[in-house]
Amino acid sequence: GAVVSQHPSRVICKSGTSVKIECRSLDFQATTMFWYRQFPKKSLMLMATSNEGSKATYEQGVEKDKFLINHASLTLSTLTVTSAHPEDSSFYICSAREAGGTNYGYTFGSGTRLTVV
Amino acid sequence: RKEVEQDPGPFNVPEGATVAFNCTYSNSASQSFFWYRQDCRKEPKLLMSVYSSGNEDGRFTAQLNRASQYISLLIRDSKLSDSATYLCVVNTVDGNKLVFGAGTILRVKS
Repeated sequence: GAVVSQHPSRVICKSGTSVKIECRSLDFQATTMFWYRQFPKKSLMLMATSNEGSKATYEQGVEKDKFLINHASLTLSTLTVTSAHPEDSSFYICSAREAGGTNYGYTFGSGTRLTVV
Repeated sequence: RKEVEQDPGPFNVPEGATVAFNCTYSNSASQSFFWYRQDCRKEPKLLMSVYSSGNEDGRFTAQLNRASQYISLLIRDSKLSDSATYLCVVNTVDGNKLVFGAGTILRVKS
């Protein structure tokens, strides 16, 4: 089946630094990728929708200059958390939908646990 | 009102028990519905899609009531390995995004 690889799985960084998270579709082309964040005991909240070759669409309340998304190819999307602060500590998960896929074709990465100290 | 609402639980049940989870959604025009399972510190995984006619997959049965905007998941003969958070998920009307409920925690004990 479809596989999405997300890297790194865990990262600890200092306040003020930037962290890049990669999301790759390994065996399919993903025209659309989604970035979520999840706080402890809370639901996944969609941050942005990333479309290959165009600007990402951010959800209300998500700062696009802080969470930079790049979807330069059909198999790779990156999320960069810039000038990270402790309140950015969270579980970040990507998902990808196969090109031409149906509503059922969402595959999730294994997530990145970010801790900002 | 949240788009997707679930009872957070936790539901603590003994092995072999039958347990049911409920979920309501706010947008009557929603078209696609799912149950996902999420283990602690892991990504969510699709458990099953939910159809108006109801559908069954082994010990799991999902039902949809469009009139009441209500989705259910029934788990029979609970196993220890069923312990997880169960997420009710609805696709947006335009079909472009998934909206997740906050999840219901299930703990199956021996």
